[in-house]
Amino acid sequence: KQEVTQIPAALSVPEGENLVLNCSFTDSAIYNLQWFRQDPGKGLTSLLLIQSSQREQTSGRLNASLDKSSGRSTLYIAASQPGDSATYLCAVSATSGTYKYIFGTGTRLKVLA
Amino acid sequence: EPEVTQTPSHQVTQMGQEVILRCVPISNHLYFYWYRQILGQKVEFLVSFYNNEISEKSEIFDDQFSVERPDGSNFTLKIRSTKLEDSAMYFCASRGVSRQFFGPGTRLTVL
Repeated sequence: KQEVTQIPAALSVPEGENLVLNCSFTDSAIYNLQWFRQDPGKGLTSLLLIQSSQREQTSGRLNASLDKSSGRSTLYIAASQPGDSATYLCAVSATSGTYKYIFGTGTRLKVLA
Repeated sequence: EPEVTQTPSHQVTQMGQEVILRCVPISNHLYFYWYRQILGQKVEFLVSFYNNEISEKSEIFDDQFSVERPDGSNFTLKIRSTKLEDSAMYFCASRGVSRQFFGPGTRLTVL
């Protein structure tokens, strides 16, 4: 059974710092992995999708990497801003069956001005 | 970019009442999903739907829950007799080739 863990659970950094959020999963047979942002009480905003055959994806100040063999993905945020404050979730999709997502518990990020 | 829509955005109901949450998936997608997120907890898979039938369901998806695609465009989640613990954000998602697109969610509050 796939389990997804995110470390740290919470992070507080001063504005301008580069930071790394971690996601680990127990079953390396994944179809893809997606990173989401969630603001309090709101929905899921898709940030980056990495297919199982890819090593990384970039969008603006965000870069996500994937190492399937070790069951890890990282989300790198460059030059953090107060507007980046949110909870970041990773979700992995299995290679078979219905391709449902299994979500991690998230990292709650606070960027201080 | 295409988007999944959900209505209502917020539903308040009394315990024991039936609720129907509605979703309009992206038009050419074939796979549909419901997830829920209890406040402060992780997003959990409820059910997937393909070719007009349930393809997988979680332990949470008991006989109180049902899904259907009544008219080829809407995708609904019905909870027959709501309980306090059904209070959560419910997300619909649809998938085309590889990526799941999520709707904005319906916040269900059971009093």
